[in-house]
Amino acid sequence: DTGVSQDPRHKITKRGQNVTFRCDPISEHNRLYWYRQTLGQGPEFLTYFQNEAQLEKSRLLSDRFSAERPKGSFSTLEIQRTEQGDSAMYLCASSLEIGELFFGEGSRLTVL
Amino acid sequence: AQKVTQAQTEISVVEKEDVTLDCVYETRDTTYYLFWYKQPPSGELVFLIRRNSFDEQNEISGRYSWNFQKSTSSFNFTITASQVVDSAVYFCALSPSNSGYALNFGKGTSLLVTP
Repeated sequence: DTGVSQDPRHKITKRGQNVTFRCDPISEHNRLYWYRQTLGQGPEFLTYFQNEAQLEKSRLLSDRFSAERPKGSFSTLEIQRTEQGDSAMYLCASSLEIGELFFGEGSRLTVL
Repeated sequence: AQKVTQAQTEISVVEKEDVTLDCVYETRDTTYYLFWYKQPPSGELVFLIRRNSFDEQNEISGRYSWNFQKSTSSFNFTITASQVVDSAVYFCALSPSNSGYALNFGKGTSLLVTP
């Protein structure tokens, strides 16, 4: 499978715990994105990497959120001290061309 | 600020009918990109089309066609002779052309095609 893969697919955690999601993009893609999607809404942009550089962060990304892309390959998104409002589908995407994003299946977070 | 409005929340059609999904956008940028994405029941978003604001030419790809009208800030999507496999949520999105990474998505239109 040469698509974008995300892990875990589903995470259930208690409020206050930390969680980390991993994304493996399509290997030749230098751009990597994180989005968040809640039920009935479109995806909301969180952050963007070009190679290993994080070039943009949304105001939605509070200081409890951090993302990394070491060596410009896979990326991780960590949420510290989770809150119930963090429950959502976290989507990773990669691309070569502007806007032509290839999305993964997402990591669903449920905060109890 | 950029905004995308998809006023149709849900549409239901019978197979073989034509259906048009509306998208209206707002932006102060003079150059920008517009997109359509499809999210089938399986959940994975799929890119359908990108349109540069300089290019108002309509596009047709098989049963799909897109009508971009800058004068009305609209980028509508038509499916001709709909099929059950077209059932999905369709998102319109907008981004400034100097970035292209922070896509602003609409809330989506859920299309149900019944046999």
